[in-house]
Amino acid sequence: QKEVEQNSGPLSVPEGAIASLNCTYSDRGSQSFFWYRQYSGKSPELIMFIYSNGDKEDGRFTAQLNKASQYVSLLIRDSQPSDSATYLCAGHDMRFGAGTRLTVKP
Amino acid sequence: DADVTQTPRNRITKTGKRIMLECSQTKGHDRMYWYRQDPGLGLQLIYYSFDVKDINKGEISDGYSVSRQAQAKFSLSLESAIPNQTALYFCATSDPGDNEQFFGPGTRLTVL
Repeated sequence: QKEVEQNSGPLSVPEGAIASLNCTYSDRGSQSFFWYRQYSGKSPELIMFIYSNGDKEDGRFTAQLNKASQYVSLLIRDSQPSDSATYLCAGHDMRFGAGTRLTVKP
Repeated sequence: DADVTQTPRNRITKTGKRIMLECSQTKGHDRMYWYRQDPGLGLQLIYYSFDVKDINKGEISDGYSVSRQAQAKFSLSLESAIPNQTALYFCATSDPGDNEQFFGPGTRLTVL
């Protein structure tokens, strides 16, 4: 079992909707988590990181960390077709989830 | 110029051949990583290095070896390639004070 688990999807949402991406982890000692976005044929790039319980907002993106329940999520508000990509969750120990492919339909 | 470069970008080889993938970076980062990516499996860590004298195995190191020739260079070798090593390979770097990883463009390796 991977230490970081993601629902591999795919996930499809209409333009303007909220996309919700989720990740669970097994190591209770994990302190920080990272969300990377990977466009098809490209390399991953960091879009959000979170260290503390609760929410962290950056523009249309909100990362949520719940250490008691051992999950981390990424919400994308007002989804745009340009958000269509694979989203990868990673822990502080450089272990990645399988990724969730998101498609935003115009 | 790209901060993290990988050579070659594409390689087709035969079973049993020795292959070396190279990674160079101009970011001045001490930490370097090698990952492989297979469809549906995300990124799997092969090896990582926190400085020139430090080499650590990752999740899937069997069949691979690495060399950290300098702060800026980290090479991945497949001593005897096999078909299930066909994948997309990424090199990444990070700074000790910041866990964000910066990825190279990837090397697509096909083992026939």
